[in-house]
Amino acid sequence: EPEVTQTPSHQVTQMGQEVILRCVPISNHLYFYWYRQILGQKVEFLVSFYNNEISEKSEIFDDQFSVERPDGSNFTLKIRSTKLEDSAMYFCASNNGPYNEQFFGPGTRLTVL
Amino acid sequence: DAKTTQPPSMDCAEGRAANLPCNHSTISGNEYVYWYRQIHSQGPQYIIHGLKNNETNEMASLIITEDRKSSTLILPHATLRDTAVYYCIVRVAGGGADGLTFGKGTHLIIQP
Repeated sequence: EPEVTQTPSHQVTQMGQEVILRCVPISNHLYFYWYRQILGQKVEFLVSFYNNEISEKSEIFDDQFSVERPDGSNFTLKIRSTKLEDSAMYFCASNNGPYNEQFFGPGTRLTVL
Repeated sequence: DAKTTQPPSMDCAEGRAANLPCNHSTISGNEYVYWYRQIHSQGPQYIIHGLKNNETNEMASLIITEDRKSSTLILPHATLRDTAVYYCIVRVAGGGADGLTFGKGTHLIIQP
C-alpha cells in the first residue's frame, strides 16, 4: 500500500540554525500539507500546497517557514532560523483531491536546543 | 468550519463495540463529518467521513443524527490496537485545499 514517507525521523538542531524537513507524498497525489504537533498539544495545520504554490496557510506559518516541491517527488518544509518553540513533531500529508482523505506520514521529531 | 465537542476520554473492553460521540450543533448543510485517529505519536490516520447518511467501511461505522447536530463513531469489535486519540472534524465541501482543524479529541483506551 502506498504511503507518505518523511526524513529524517528525528532532527536535532541548535537555535538559529536552518532545517529542512523532507517528505515524499504518495505518487499520484496533487495536494500536500504540513502540520505540527508540540508535545502534549493538538495537531496544528501549517500550510497546504497545490499546483506549485501555497493554497492556504495558518498564522503559525510566518516568514520563517517556506515550502517547496523541488522535483516530482519531494515536498520540503524549511525553517530558516529555528527557535526553541519550533520543537515539535512535523507531519506531512497528501491527498488526490482537496476534500478526500489525507494520508499522513510518520512525522519528523524536531528538537531545537 | 463548525466546532466539535468530544469527551476527553473513554474506556472500552476489548472485543466490545466502542461508541465515540461527537457534538457539532452548528454544522451547516455543506459540511462533512470526518473522523481521524492518532495512535501514540504516529501521524493521524483517516477512518471515515459522511455528510448525512450513515456510512460503514472496513474500519468503522459512522452514525449521523437526522438533524446532523451530532454523530457517533462505532468500532464494532475494539482491539488493544484501537487505543488512540480519536478526532471528529467538520469541514466545508467546496474549493481549496483547506487544512484539517484538529481539536483535543477523545482518548479511547481499550482495556484487556
